[in-house]
Amino acid sequence: EAQVTQNPRYLITVTGKKLTVTCSQNMNHEYMSWYRQDPGLGLRQIYYSMNVEVTDKGDVPEGYKVSRKEKRNFPLILESPSPNQTSLYFCASSPLSAAAQFFGPGTRLTVL
Amino acid sequence: LAKTTQPISMDSYEGQEVNITCSHNNIATNDYITWYQQFPSQGPRFIIQGYKTKVTNEVASLFIPADRKSSTLSLPRVSLSDTAVYYCLVGDSPGYSTLTFGKGTMLLVSP
Repeated sequence: EAQVTQNPRYLITVTGKKLTVTCSQNMNHEYMSWYRQDPGLGLRQIYYSMNVEVTDKGDVPEGYKVSRKEKRNFPLILESPSPNQTSLYFCASSPLSAAAQFFGPGTRLTVL
Repeated sequence: LAKTTQPISMDSYEGQEVNITCSHNNIATNDYITWYQQFPSQGPRFIIQGYKTKVTNEVASLFIPADRKSSTLSLPRVSLSDTAVYYCLVGDSPGYSTLTFGKGTMLLVSP
């Protein structure tokens, strides 16, 4: 089944403790992206990647890192999480030839 | 990137046709118009995409006038399960780079 998977789905952590949220897609898509969604603010793009080893900042990249060493994986790294990064995070992918994106199920992160 | 404007919310009843209009006055020549649907705590789901005139698929129609400064998503005979947030996005293809979703339109369908 074609899908985007994220792990973990839920995470509660404390300020400053490094964490990684994994994202994987099995559709051979070149393009992958991370978003965060907060009440009243809609979906905001954090980082995106047009292909392996190519990443770029979205609208709200501060406090986040990403890497794209393999086509299928695009992990989101929070080196030192803070409470203002408490949010619902979505990973998405698409082929470069089409703009419609496939979204993962989301990761709900709480930073205490 | 072209900015979009949509109504914050809309109400409808089961069985009615719902039209959600999106304004995108500074759409570029290469831009496509894409609509997504999102249920609470789920990722957005692609509904339909178009460039001009009319596009129809099994769930919706998309009407785009000649000047392309607006578009209308049409949902025929909505049901309770169509209650969701609908987002209109404008951007070029191949592959969007930075995507701005905006706040979307909250559609509430009542019995």
